Parts: sequence; structure tokens; C-alpha cells
Amino acid sequence: GQNIDQPTEMTATEGAIVQINCTYQTSGFNGLFWYQQHAGEAPTFLSYNVLDGLEEKGRFSSFLSRSKGYSYLLLKELQMKDSASYLCAVIDSNYQLIWGAGTKLIIKP
Amino acid sequence: ETGVTQTPRHLVMGMTNKKSLKCEQHLGHNAMYWYKQSAKKPLELMFVYNFKEQTENNSVPSRFSPECPNSSHLFLHLHTLQPEDSALYLCASSQDHYEQYFGPGTRLTVT
Repeated sequence: GQNIDQPTEMTATEGAIVQINCTYQTSGFNGLFWYQQHAGEAPTFLSYNVLDGLEEKGRFSSFLSRSKGYSYLLLKELQMKDSASYLCAVIDSNYQLIWGAGTKLIIKP
Repeated sequence: ETGVTQTPRHLVMGMTNKKSLKCEQHLGHNAMYWYKQSAKKPLELMFVYNFKEQTENNSVPSRFSPECPNSSHLFLHLHTLQPEDSALYLCASSQDHYEQYFGPGTRLTVT
């Protein structure tokens, strides 16, 4: 079967750095997305990785290792508004998007 | 309006009611999706439409019936639902199979 694993919940301090991991086992791979979802709102796109390596976009970076079936989302200089759920999703060989259950990130002052 | 819109935002219905959810995208995308989101569970893909043609139906019960009259509009018709169908229903659109843009969702409660 196809599976995406992420931690259920993480806590971090304002101003710090946090890394949210995602491991996947899917039938084929055509890219990996990270989305942010605030409580009661729709998911919004953060990043897309299809090649190995690190993609940096402001305070957020996303890393991919296809050989390890592994990705992480790195958030720097955490702000209270970063409190949200972070969803990892993989496009499989049939171009179907497989979603993880999401990681709820709690930021404390 | 821009992006993806959904109506209604909140819906409470009895198990014998019939209601419809509406989604509209203003992005010129060729694919639209219905998802169900329950607490602490992954997003569940329900239906996919490409160029108005249904391409995915992930074993969704027949009490959920999608309709895609054109590439900008998507409906989800609901009838004789069960309490376990209470969830957030999200619509999304994309160009081909890439980045999906989501609507704000409809919070459905079945009593």
C-alpha cells in the first residue's frame, strides 16, 4: 500500500528553528508537496520538490531525498502565525496525490 | 472573485435531507477535485475531474454524487447521509497534475 508518515504534533519556541519530517512509500514518484493549513482554513501551497536537494524560499526550506523516500520542511525564525498544520503529499506514478495526515505545529512564546 | 470559492461554508442537514455543495474556480484550470477532511486523518480524495470528465472515484458511497457541468464548476450532491459523513469538504483545482489550489471548504454536520 501507499503510505505517508509525519509526526502528529510538534512544539517549538518563537524565534527558533523547527524541522518537520516526512517519509513516504508510494508506487512511483513524480514530486512532493508541502502545504500549510491554519485551523478552519484551506491548505495553501508552500513548496514542491521533484529533484534531490534543498529548495529555499524565505524562512521556509524543503529538502528531498528520493533514494531514502524522505523529505523535511525547515522553518526558521518561527513566528506565532506559523502555528498551523503542515501537510506532506506525494504524486505517485498515476499522478494521484497521496496525502499525509499532517503535523500540527504549536509555537510557544 | 479570484481563486476557488465554495458555498455554503457551513451546512447542517438531517439524514433524510438532500443538499448540494458548490465549487467554482476562476483560475482557468483543467482539473477539479473533491476531498473529505476528518479530524486527524489524511485528506481523502473523493472525485477527480479532468476537462469535465470524471477520472477518479475512490470507492465513494453512492450517497455522494458529483457533477461537473464545465471546467469551472463542480457540485457534490448529498442525500441520505450518515453522521460519520460529518467533515470538512474541500474543493481544489489544478492545471494538469500539479499544485492544487483549495477552496475554503464546507463544514458539514449530519444530524
